[in-house]
Amino acid sequence: DGGITQSPKYLFRKEGQNVTLSCEQNLNHDAMYWYRQDPGQGLRLIYYSQIVNDFQKGDIAEGYSVSREKKESFPLTVTSAQKNPTAFYLCASSIERYNQPQHFGDGTRLSIL
Amino acid sequence: EDQVTQSPEALRLQEGESSSLNCSYTVSGLRGLFWYRQDPGKGPEFLFTLYSAGEEKEKERLKATLTKKESFLHITAPKPEDSATYLCAVHMGGYQKVTFGTGTKLQVIP
Repeated sequence: DGGITQSPKYLFRKEGQNVTLSCEQNLNHDAMYWYRQDPGQGLRLIYYSQIVNDFQKGDIAEGYSVSREKKESFPLTVTSAQKNPTAFYLCASSIERYNQPQHFGDGTRLSIL
Repeated sequence: EDQVTQSPEALRLQEGESSSLNCSYTVSGLRGLFWYRQDPGKGPEFLFTLYSAGEEKEKERLKATLTKKESFLHITAPKPEDSATYLCAVHMGGYQKVTFGTGTKLQVIP
């Protein structure tokens, strides 16, 4: 079955540590996205990529970094510069065309030790 | 500023009690409105896309409608398994820019 796989499901970060969240899709979608979800807030866009080797900052990119070396993969690194990293992180992908819905993975919950 | 507002924040229904969820938006150049269902600890699951005022989509007990300023998700004779948070998202004129509402948490009691 085609879909988006995020791993790990739960992740813990120590002070000063960088952590990387994995996102893999086999839907053959060109566009991929990272969102952050906090209680009582809508999904907020961190980064997105429309094509391999290219990505753009979203609304809350500070303290995060991404890479897009393969069409199927879009890992997100939460750096030590992100002072409030505790959240539910969602990866999504879509056909690279206007008006197409995004399809989501099942998320990674990041907590601080 | 482009905004998406969902109401109510939470809704509790008896099984079989039909109701509607609202998504209102103040955006320019609407290109599409999306409804998602999200279960606890899971990612949003895509339900519907609506593109123009007057359009309607149906799936089982759910029906989504769209006007120029808002969308409704009608739930007919809900069952406990319909309990979830329902998210609305709006695709505006900017390339790939999607704005999400904060969701309506629906609880259906047997």
